[in-house]
Amino acid sequence: DADVTQTPRNRITKTGKRIMLECSQTKGHDRMYWYRQDPGLGLRLIYYSFDVKDINKGEISDGYSVSRQAQAKFSLSLESAIPNQTALYFCATSDTGQGADTQYFGPGTRLTVL
Amino acid sequence: GQNIDQPTEMTATEGAIVQINCTYQTSGFNGLFWYQQHAGEAPTFLSYNVLDGLEEKGRFSSFLSRSKGYSYLLLKELQMKDSASYLCAVMDSNYQLIWGAGTKLIIKP
Repeated sequence: DADVTQTPRNRITKTGKRIMLECSQTKGHDRMYWYRQDPGLGLRLIYYSFDVKDINKGEISDGYSVSRQAQAKFSLSLESAIPNQTALYFCATSDTGQGADTQYFGPGTRLTVL
Repeated sequence: GQNIDQPTEMTATEGAIVQINCTYQTSGFNGLFWYQQHAGEAPTFLSYNVLDGLEEKGRFSSFLSRSKGYSYLLLKELQMKDSASYLCAVMDSNYQLIWGAGTKLIIKP
């Protein structure tokens, strides 16, 4: 079984709809991250969480919100989807967030907003 | 601002050696990572450098020069399965990863 899972894997929606992307992990990591990836651009951090009670905005948080329901679950919501939010979204986890701490990525959710 | 630069695309021949460069300007430095990402898949960890010098791991090696803000990933004995994007990322003073746009490596027979 995969250590970091994301649902759905693909989603097509319309402008103005509310969308939730979910991430679950079995690695026992405290830190979880949401990124988006667009062609020709690096991964950009949307939100990150160091534990259930700690949520932080990343580089591009406008238009997004998150919920850390448990250590293992971190959800990303698009309150009112717009076409420029069409992208590949990745959830990631890490242990300490310092030094050689590797981030482990889920398989990604491809979101298309029409 | 913070910036990571790497070539957009490179082409190499199966069995050959290729070097992918990465230059960076960041607020502080707490290490540099290389990840591999096959098309449509998740990035996976390849290497980590925090001290100057070369780290070797099988067919892959990664080099770091902190004074020059420079790293490279060296891939030897290229195989077709090495066709992928290679992402350079720097951990800044706030322990945030700053990502480059990635280098798409095309391997030809």
